[in-house]
Amino acid sequence: DAKTTQPTSMDCAEGRAANLPCNHSTISGNEYVYWYRQIHSQGPQYIIHGLKNNETNEMASLIITEDRKSSTLILPHATLRDTAVYYCIVRGTDNDMRFGAGTRLTVKP
Amino acid sequence: DSGVTQTPKHLITATGQRVTLRCSPRSGDLSVYWYQQSLDQGLQFLIQYYNGEERAKGNILERFSAQQFPDLHSELNLSSLELGDSALYFCASSVAGRTNEKLFFGSGTQLSVL
Repeated sequence: DAKTTQPTSMDCAEGRAANLPCNHSTISGNEYVYWYRQIHSQGPQYIIHGLKNNETNEMASLIITEDRKSSTLILPHATLRDTAVYYCIVRGTDNDMRFGAGTRLTVKP
Repeated sequence: DSGVTQTPKHLITATGQRVTLRCSPRSGDLSVYWYQQSLDQGLQFLIQYYNGEERAKGNILERFSAQQFPDLHSELNLSSLELGDSALYFCASSVAGRTNEKLFFGSGTQLSVL
């Protein structure tokens, strides 16, 4: 069963921030939140991951709520090339990485 | 380029046949994962290996099997193929398969069963 809930689709204007939400209300204390994206039928691309603290890298920021029951992926300045399916994944001690349906983000000019 | 190499890129075969998909992980990575992506099922985790040993198993059919060799490359064997096995098959690798490690995915093998 999927451990995360994401909106099916979202739109974002080019140049604006894209904020993608994810609910993971049953997350355990030692489970990580990962974000990947998939452009067309390419292999999924790692974006960012975190445990408790907010994280930032060259691609995005990850904001995790204090109770860890939800998180938001932020793409600060979305471009047309960011159009993709974005997957929020909770990864625990069983070690495998299980993908849900994801959010289809469309960046519009 | 993720550093994960999958061959072949495309494979066309007939029902009832057997095929082998190959994956070479990134240099230094000990753990390999296999995924199947079909239009109606999304990305499904199949199986994970770490340093030659099976570590986790997902929705892998009994007709499918995998192994990881001493040189760390992995093969996914699909037998008695059915039309529904047509899908993209991805391989991914990570350093040691720990939960705080990111996975790097290959570009996939597109399997078409006719």
